[in-house]
Amino acid sequence: EVQLLESGGNLVQPGGSLRLSCAASGFTFSSYAMSWVRQAPGKGLEWVSSISPSGETTYYADSVKGRFTISRDNSKNTLYLQVNSLRVDDTAVFFCAKASGTYRGNDYWGQGTLVTVSA
Amino acid sequence: DIQMTQSPSSVSASVGDRVTITCRASQDISSWLAWYQQKPGKAPKFLIHVASNLQSGVPSRFSGSGSGTDFTLTISNLQPEDFGTYYCQEANSFPLFTFGPGTKVDVK
Repeated sequence: EVQLLESGGNLVQPGGSLRLSCAASGFTFSSYAMSWVRQAPGKGLEWVSSISPSGETTYYADSVKGRFTISRDNSKNTLYLQVNSLRVDDTAVFFCAKASGTYRGNDYWGQGTLVTVSA
Repeated sequence: DIQMTQSPSSVSASVGDRVTITCRASQDISSWLAWYQQKPGKAPKFLIHVASNLQSGVPSRFSGSGSGTDFTLTISNLQPEDFGTYYCQEANSFPLFTFGPGTKVDVK
């Protein structure tokens, strides 16, 4: 059974940093691209970042470029998102999502981890 | 960047009704469109890929169509468990992608 379990969300002050983690199991982690998607309270889904299966290629939304860094450790089956220079409007639930591999889409999602940015 | 729009933003329907949601891309994305269902407090669920193909386990009352810039998600014979918010996702440059703003479906 595919499982994705995010952690690392917390209350942080503006300008602060966090490292989000997503522990994966039930599939060959190193074979799939992975993504982070966030959802601000009461708002829609926003793609944040993606990473290739090997980790060599990364992609970022303009809204987070230069502040967030995606990475993965295929030996630990874990995806990461380092979030720096946090702003109040970064407050959101952050989901990790697995790429389908066969089709262009995200077939499995974690339950999300909440990042709250407030003074 | 590709922009996505959806209409309507919300719809209320009765059990047994047919519900149609439209998604439009700002440029041609061929058939690279997916649909998701999200219930409050839950992660999105992958429903349809490549515009019209049901993900495994998704009931056949869900269907998708379209290509280019205009796409449709149809729920025929609406069931109580179909409430939630539906998002389209353009996947033309996957794993970069953009979601539509969502359509909330309330079951009367």
